[in-house]
Amino acid sequence: EVELTQSPGTLSLSPGERATLSCRASQSVSSSSLAWYQQKPGQAPRLLIYATSSGATGIPDRFTGSGSGTDFTLTISRLEPEDSAVYYCQQYGSSVTFGGGTKVEIK
Amino acid sequence: QVLLVQSVSEVKKPGASVRVSCKASGYIFSSYAINWVRQAPGQGLEWMGWINPNTGNPTYAQGFTGRFGFSLDTSVSTAYLQISSLKSEDTAVYYCARGRSPMVRGVIDLHFDHWGQGTLVPVSP
Repeated sequence: EVELTQSPGTLSLSPGERATLSCRASQSVSSSSLAWYQQKPGQAPRLLIYATSSGATGIPDRFTGSGSGTDFTLTISRLEPEDSAVYYCQQYGSSVTFGGGTKVEIK
Repeated sequence: QVLLVQSVSEVKKPGASVRVSCKASGYIFSSYAINWVRQAPGQGLEWMGWINPNTGNPTYAQGFTGRFGFSLDTSVSTAYLQISSLKSEDTAVYYCARGRSPMVRGVIDLHFDHWGQGTLVPVSP
């Protein structure tokens, strides 16, 4: 099973700052098989990015994904208060696994 | 628009069974697989598996065989998750989710752009 490790566990930043979230895989993941989700309390996850860097429908362009092999990154370029949430990476190239999540707090 | 509407929360006792429903609308039900994802309180997401909406054939992820069952009623565009012999560790929110792209020759999309609202299943004596 491919294990995904997300870091940091919690990120506390101010509005307008850049957030960089990391997702590291225990083995190489195809670039076509890595996604990111945002989950707010009491809500279902929301797809942000798929295939490493493709934005899902309706997602603001301040959310961008990058990476390859075992290291992937979600960047939120200009944080807004509504970006406060937990972010999960997911690989879907070898079965499906999710990372443990990174909580983003807006100061 | 695409909607996945799940059944409401219901408290269960250990040893009982529960069936969670997921009613789909706004798209051709037979074109997209339905997946199930579990989230224990305060924890992350676990993929449970998926069901083929054409054949009804389920595929279960590791750790979700035996007590877990996926089924369909295509006449009402609804998928079901059944859990038997409930344990306290089954306490979780269960989500149904649809892949972003339709199935093509049995190959499905395993990243999910539409989700149900979640069904909380508390298991308590």
